[in-house]
Amino acid sequence: KNEVEQSPQNLTAQEGEFITINCSYSVGISALHWLQQHPGGGIVSLFMLSSGKKKHGRLIATINIQEKHSSLHITASHPRDSAVYICAVKFDRGSQGNLIFGKGTKLSVKP
Amino acid sequence: EADIYQTPRYLVIGTGKKITLECSQTMGHDKMYWYQQDPGMELHLIHYSYGVNSTEKGDLSSESTVSRIRTEHFPLTLESARPSHTSQYLCASSEFGGSQPQHFGDGTRLSIL
Repeated sequence: KNEVEQSPQNLTAQEGEFITINCSYSVGISALHWLQQHPGGGIVSLFMLSSGKKKHGRLIATINIQEKHSSLHITASHPRDSAVYICAVKFDRGSQGNLIFGKGTKLSVKP
Repeated sequence: EADIYQTPRYLVIGTGKKITLECSQTMGHDKMYWYQQDPGMELHLIHYSYGVNSTEKGDLSSESTVSRIRTEHFPLTLESARPSHTSQYLCASSEFGGSQPQHFGDGTRLSIL
């Protein structure tokens, strides 16, 4: 079954802390996306990756294909990073090539 | 800056009404999607389209229908709204082929009384 699991479900951090959000998936994928959803509901695509590591500003995303695991790191966290972070994958087989989404990690960064 | 637009942002309406949620994109993307998201839950795909005159049902069964008469426009319709339809509906688009990033609208929060 094509499944995506995220941890933790909720995360509270102090401003400046290093944050890690994890994503595991069940079977082979062709791509993994990290998305950010703000309280208003809109979603922004942060990264799309199929191997290795990508960096954009204070955000870093890594993926280990063999272990079927990806992490999203936020360095020097700031209250404006507070949002829900969503992992979504495109599985090699099934799901008609559409994305399957995790439940999200709700991050709250306190000043 | 958003190139995909959803209207309305919020809608509170009575049971039995016909509702159309609008979604438009200006990027010329072939593929478009509708997702349903309940509070605190994951997104579920309810409809998608590969291009004009193409519509497909997603993973989650939905009583809504969609149409794709123009590339840029992908409206979602509920013929007779019920309280069980209360949810957030998100529209997205992407280029066709391979693994392309999806661009999301701001969503419509629908509440059926």
